Amino acid sequence: AQSVTQPDIHITVSEGASLELRCNYSYGATPYLFWYVQSPGQGLQLLLKYFSGDTLVQGIKGFEAEFKRSQSSFNLRKPSVHWSDAAEYFCAVGAIQAGTALIFGKGTTLSVSS
Amino acid sequence: SAVISQKPSRDICQRGTSLTIQCQVDSQVTMMFWYRQQPGQSLTLIATANQGSEATYESGFVIDKFPISRPNLTFSTLTVSNMSPEDSSIYLCSSRTGVTDTQYFGPGTRLTVL
Repeated sequence: AQSVTQPDIHITVSEGASLELRCNYSYGATPYLFWYVQSPGQGLQLLLKYFSGDTLVQGIKGFEAEFKRSQSSFNLRKPSVHWSDAAEYFCAVGAIQAGTALIFGKGTTLSVSS
Repeated sequence: SAVISQKPSRDICQRGTSLTIQCQVDSQVTMMFWYRQQPGQSLTLIATANQGSEATYESGFVIDKFPISRPNLTFSTLTVSNMSPEDSSIYLCSSRTGVTDTQYFGPGTRLTVL
């Protein structure tokens, strides 16, 4: 079955500390992986995506993610968290074919303490 | 990138009534998707809408409850019919064009059913 698992429901990080949000997927085909962020009352904003090539991808707002095929993981990282990063983060997987919708994980809520 | 708008942004409706949500994309797209995000939950795909054909619904969603129209390549509507409080959710429209294209999301429609 196709699925995305985000094992951490809620994470609290101190401002300035590093962050890693975990994502594991189960997908029959070659995956196309995304991280989205949703701030309270806002829509989904794309942080980054992995299609092929370099397994370390850079995104907006200083985020990066690393695709590890052997571990079926696509963890999101940021070296220094800012208070404005507090939001809901969703990992998603899709097929490399137009017309197939993404499957989302349940999300991780990030809180940033001062 | 695609810019997606939705109307209304939010609504409060009475039990037993219906609401139609409009989704407009600023470019022609092959596939459009409708998702539901229940309070505190992740995104669940309702259906995929092709232009000129019937929408394809995911398990647990039926056309009588969530009729969808897709009259052209830039527009779609989702109707939530005979609403109950359990339908209170955020409804998101999404689109994807090419093989390696990103799936973009509208800002969502926040529906409250009393």
